Amino acid sequence: DIVMTQSPDSLAVSLGERATINCKSSQSVLYSSNNKNFLAWYQQKPRQPPKLLIYWASTRESGVPDRFSGSGSGTDFTLTISNLQAEDVAVYYCQQYFGGLPITFGQGTRLEIK
Amino acid sequence: QVQLQESGPGLVKPSETLSLTCGVSGGSISSHYWTWIRQPPGKGLEWIGYIYTGGNTNYNPSLKSRVTISADMSKNQFSLKLTSVAAADTAVYYCARQGVRDGYSGPVDYWGHGTMVTVSS
Repeated sequence: DIVMTQSPDSLAVSLGERATINCKSSQSVLYSSNNKNFLAWYQQKPRQPPKLLIYWASTRESGVPDRFSGSGSGTDFTLTISNLQAEDVAVYYCQQYFGGLPITFGQGTRLEIK
Repeated sequence: QVQLQESGPGLVKPSETLSLTCGVSGGSISSHYWTWIRQPPGKGLEWIGYIYTGGNTNYNPSLKSRVTISADMSKNQFSLKLTSVAAADTAVYYCARQGVRDGYSGPVDYWGHGTMVTVSS
C-alpha cells in the first residue's frame, strides 16, 4: 500500500495569515499516462463527513474558495490556506487514489486559530 | 446532486456480522465507484473498499478476508458486510462515491452523513 504521511499533526495560525500542510507519499502518485497526480485534499469539521477541496493535487473542487490551493508532484504535496478564516478550523486529510491500489489517507492535520 | 444515506444497526455484538446499506439518489450506481470508508472515534479515515461497474470489487487488504460489498441495481443501493467484528471495528461508517474524472478514477466526491456502529456485548 502507499503510505501517506502528513506534517505537522497540528498547527495554530492567526486569522488572516497563511496555513501550510504537507503530505508525503511512500511512492509516486504521478501517473505517466495522463501526467496527473492522483492526490486529493479533504476538510473535515466535527460531526461532518469530509469535504473534497482539491483533486489532481492542484485542481480546486467547484465551490471551494480560492484561498485554498494545492501544489506538488510525485511524492511531495502541499495544501496552502491563505487569509485564514475562522470557518477553516478543521482537520485536513490528504488522500491518494492511484487506480487499482487501495485508497489511503494521511493521518490528518488539525488546524486551529492562534 | 448525488445524495447517499447509510442505514443499519448501531450496535453489533462481538463475533457477529455488521451489515449496512447505502441508498443513493440523484445518480445511478451503474457507473463510478461506490465506496465504504470508516473512522474510529477520534481517529483518521480508513478505506474499506468499493464496488464498480459490473459488480467488480476492490477491498482493503487488511480487511479483505472479512468484507463483502454488493450492489442492488434495482434499488440503486449498495451494501457492506463485515464478519467476525470486534471492538476495533467500532467506528463511524461512511458510504461515498469515488468519481470518475477525465476518464480516470477520481477522488471521493460525495459522502453520506455517516452512521456510528458500536461493537459491544
